[in-house]
Amino acid sequence: DTGVSQNPRHKITKRGQNVTFRCDPISEHNRLYWYRQTLGQGPEFLTYFQNEAQLEKSRLLSDRFSAERPKGSFSTLEIQRTEQGDSAMYLCASSLRGHGYTFGSGTRLTVV
Amino acid sequence: KNEVEQSPQNLTAQEGEFITINCSYSVGISALHWLQQHPGGGIVSLFMLSSGKKKHGRLIATINIQEKHSSLHITASHPRDSAVYICAAIQGAQKLVFGQGTRLTINP
Repeated sequence: DTGVSQNPRHKITKRGQNVTFRCDPISEHNRLYWYRQTLGQGPEFLTYFQNEAQLEKSRLLSDRFSAERPKGSFSTLEIQRTEQGDSAMYLCASSLRGHGYTFGSGTRLTVV
Repeated sequence: KNEVEQSPQNLTAQEGEFITINCSYSVGISALHWLQQHPGGGIVSLFMLSSGKKKHGRLIATINIQEKHSSLHITASHPRDSAVYICAAIQGAQKLVFGQGTRLTINP
C-alpha cells in the first residue's frame, strides 16, 4: 500500500465549470476526510466518511459541493459551477480509529 | 479567536539552533497532531500525542492537557527542517482542527 493517493495533483478550470477530485485512502482505513487549505492558512474541515456513510459536513460545504464514498473505499469530491473563491488545495486524509492520520499530497485547484 | 493558536507564525534560525514552536488550544480534545508540510502541499504526520512527551530523532513533542498547550522542539536544526509545521487538535470522531501553521526557515 502506497498511502493516500489523490488525483489529479493540479487542476486549472474556468469559472463556472464542474470539477471532480478523487481520493484513494489506505485500504484498511475506515475513515476518510476532506479538508480545504487556502494560501497561508491551516486546512479547514469539509466532510468525513466512516465507511460509505457521510457522517459530518462543514457549513463551508455549500450546495455546489458534493462528496461520495460509494463502496467505502475511494471517495470523490465534486464542485459544481466553480467560483474563483474555490481556488485552494483540497486535501484528503484517512485514518483507522485510535490511530493517526495519513494525508494525501492534495489536489491544487485554480479557478480562472 | 481561533480554537487552535500557534506561535510564532514565522521563524527564521541558523543551522544548529534549538527550535521551539508552541500551540495552544481552547477546545476539548482527545489528542493532538503535529504535522509537517513542505512546499507543494504534502502533509506528513510527525506525532500524535495525548499526554506527556514523544521523541523521534531530533524532534520532541510535549503536551500539557491541563494547560491546553503543546510544544514541538527541534534539536540541532538543519536546513532540511525548513517547512511549515502545523498543530491540529483531534475532536470528536478524529476530526482535526488546525492551527494556522508556523513557517520555519533554517539558514545554513
